[in-house]
Amino acid sequence: QQPVQSPQAVILREGEDAVINCSSSKALYSVHWYRQKHGEAPVFLMILLKGGEQKGHDKISASFNEKKQQSSLYLTASQLSYSGTYFCGTEMSYNTDKLIFGTGTRLQVFP
Amino acid sequence: EPEVTQTPSHQVTQMGQEVILRCVPISNHLYFYWYRQILGQKVEFLVSFYNNEISEKSEIFDDQFSVERPDGSNFTLKIRSTKLEDSAMYFCASNPGGNTEAFFGQGTRLTVV
Repeated sequence: QQPVQSPQAVILREGEDAVINCSSSKALYSVHWYRQKHGEAPVFLMILLKGGEQKGHDKISASFNEKKQQSSLYLTASQLSYSGTYFCGTEMSYNTDKLIFGTGTRLQVFP
Repeated sequence: EPEVTQTPSHQVTQMGQEVILRCVPISNHLYFYWYRQILGQKVEFLVSFYNNEISEKSEIFDDQFSVERPDGSNFTLKIRSTKLEDSAMYFCASNPGGNTEAFFGQGTRLTVV
């Protein structure tokens, strides 16, 4: 039931791009993306609902492929502030009150 | 900006003792959650609470755990008899409705010795 994220870790130079994937073996209703800095709470990035809509703000965007039960987070022209651990959270239905988080992807951006 | 607040920020307790972790969710939110995160690992769902009752809970949330909303503003997590493996960061979260952004508190680091 737990979604699987890949890769587990990414190291980037400032300005480089990255893609983080989140895959589920079960049908999904929504995917939430959060970023967590060390010692802090997770911070919401965006939510994608069933329908394959792509969302984004600034240089971070995401897509949701219903057929593959997969979501991808795209980080373009990375900045130092993007460093942290990225978690996807998945919901199986509209009526669920349970967000199941993925295994996490640790992203480090160096100057 | 409204935020979820948790107290204490750090709690040290002896194995077998009861602990109560406190949270004040954002005032107009309807759904409340507890999650935990063992150091260096993923965030794990414990329980969700809506309309004054538990709506979902995970396998982790056994009889040793309970939640309460005693006064309309606080939301508490009680662990009756703590074990060493309960040591973790516990996050409270709330949101105004299903399938919306969840706002997380800064967490309570629980250390069981």
